[in-house]
Amino acid sequence: AQKITQTQPGMFVQEKEAVTLDCTYDTSDQSYGLFWYKQPSSGEMIFLIYQGSYDEQNATEGRYSLNFQKARKSANLVISASQLGDSAMYFCAMREGGGAQKLVFGQGTRLTINP
Amino acid sequence: KAGVTQTPRYLIKTRGQQVTLSCSPISGHRSVSWYQQTPGQGLQFLFEYFSETQRNKGNFPGRFSGRQFSNSRSEMNVSTLELGDSALYLCASSYLAGVIYEQYFGPGTRLTVT
Repeated sequence: AQKITQTQPGMFVQEKEAVTLDCTYDTSDQSYGLFWYKQPSSGEMIFLIYQGSYDEQNATEGRYSLNFQKARKSANLVISASQLGDSAMYFCAMREGGGAQKLVFGQGTRLTINP
Repeated sequence: KAGVTQTPRYLIKTRGQQVTLSCSPISGHRSVSWYQQTPGQGLQFLFEYFSETQRNKGNFPGRFSGRQFSNSRSEMNVSTLELGDSALYLCASSYLAGVIYEQYFGPGTRLTVT
């Protein structure tokens, strides 16, 4: 069975610093996708970044990058130059290969950016 | 392009009642998935619909059901509500962009069962 582990329940970072949120996963599939979502206090899940298991390059989207280490089964999210608006819950999720759209989520990391 | 919309946003029901939640996906998206989020269990997959057919189902009792209409709008129904059904219910719509299935979430419906 698939499993996502986020070991950091909470993180506190100074504004403008870079931050790394950890995510490890477990799957027996060869084809899978890894997602990161941001959930502000409003509750909406905001898509940040995606990495496919066969992608050789690490995904990047603006200030977000995904440090994908397939052999270690880790997919850490890196936020560069953090901003106050980055304060939120962050979830790592995995989708198995094929057409089904079932995501398995980690427990999340609450990120707080201090001014 | 409009995002995923969910109605209602907030709902208060009494134990034993039933409830129907609605989700309208992004235009052109044919897959709709539902998730339950609680403080104790986190985010859990309920089911997914694609072209009006349930394609995948999570580990929830039969009180939780859903359907999808020809315009891709989806509804989720919970019968005989229990206190533990209090949660944020999130809907997500997906489409294939190249080789990536992009999945976008709605704002959620916060259900409180008293």
